[in-house]
Order: sequence, then C-alpha cells, then structure tokens
Amino acid sequence: AQKVTQAQTEISVVEKEDVTLDCVYETRDTTYYLFWYKQPPSGELVFLIRRNSFDEQNEISGRYSWNFQKSTSSFNFTITASQVVDSAVYFCALARGYSSASKIIFGSGTRLSIRP
Amino acid sequence: GAGVSQSPSNKVTEKGKDVELRCDPISGHTALYWYRQSLGQGLEFLIYFQGNSAPDKSGLPSDRFSAERTGGSVSTLTIQRTQQEDSAVYLCASSPALAGGGPDTQYFGPGTRLTVL
Repeated sequence: AQKVTQAQTEISVVEKEDVTLDCVYETRDTTYYLFWYKQPPSGELVFLIRRNSFDEQNEISGRYSWNFQKSTSSFNFTITASQVVDSAVYFCALARGYSSASKIIFGSGTRLSIRP
Repeated sequence: GAGVSQSPSNKVTEKGKDVELRCDPISGHTALYWYRQSLGQGLEFLIYFQGNSAPDKSGLPSDRFSAERTGGSVSTLTIQRTQQEDSAVYLCASSPALAGGGPDTQYFGPGTRLTVL
C-alpha cells in the first residue's frame, strides 16, 4: 500500500524565517514519483515539483528547495526567507511510476502561516 | 493557454437530489482525474480516465457516484441521491499522459464546492 505522511498539521513562523515541511512516504514500488503542491487561500492547487525515485539530487528553485532521501523515505520541502505570500496549505504526494497516467496519493497537508 | 475549468463553481442541493459536475481538461491532455477534498482534509482520489476509458475507478465511494468522459475531452461526475456526507470540494485534474517517463504532472482546476443540505 502507498501512504504519505505529513506529521506537521500547522506551522506558523515570522516572515523571513526559514521553514521546512516534512514528508515521509511508504511504497513497495521501486519506481515512483513524488510531488509537492501548494494550495493558497484561493483554493486552487498549484504544482511545485515532480521528482522520480531514481533522482536523489536535491533541487533548488529560487527560495524553494527539496531534499529527497530514499534511505529515510523522505521528501522534505524548505522555504528560505519566507514571505507572507507563502502562506498556504502544502501537500506532498506520491504516484506509482509504471505508467504515464496514475492516481496521486496525497498527504493530509501542512498549513503554513507566515506572520508579518 | 487555458487551464482546467470546472462548472459550476458552487452547487447547493437538497439531500436526495442528483447533481452533475463538469470538467473541461487542458486541450490535448489525454488523462483526466477526479478528486474530492472534504473540509480541512487532504485530497481523496475518485477516478481517472485515459481517453474515454476509466482504468481506475477504485476511489468512487459508492454506487451513487459515476463518471463519464466523451470525445476524450469533457468529463461529468454524477452523484445520485446526494447525502450530506457528499459535501466537499470536487477537484478535477488533467495531464498529458505522454507515453513513457512515468506519471505526468497533474494540473488542477478550481474545483466545485458542493453543499448538500
């Protein structure tokens, strides 16, 4: 069975602080894909990153970075120098990697609040 | 280009009535997905289409739920005899589903907020 756990239900930090959102996944597949999505107050899910199980390189995109560690089945997301606009619910997700179309299993999300 | 669109954006219905929710995927995307997000909860997979076929409908919660897709484009999710526990935001997503390379990124629509009184 596949499962994604986001243990942090809510996080609140002051603007400009760095913050890390944790994600732990479970799967028996050797080929799988991991995702992060952002859901701002407007409600629409915004795609952030897609990573396959064979690529363990960390990725940086502006203030965002992701740390993928297969040894601990984790795919953590860090926002550097957070801004109020980063306030949203963030979802980590997992999909089987054997076809081009596959359902995504989502974690329960972490609500991030950035205080000015 | 145009993203995924869904209609209506809001739907209020009475318990026991049938409702239809519509999804227009991104043009050219062959895969289409339906998810449900209950208040304060994560996203729950319902069904997905590859073309007009539904290889995985394992997430449909009961036989009151059905979905179809015609012409490889628009999809309709139908809920019959609605119950209060059906109240949720119903999200649609689409992806190119190009051959090879694992599951493509899914792009989501704004959702339909369903309230069953």
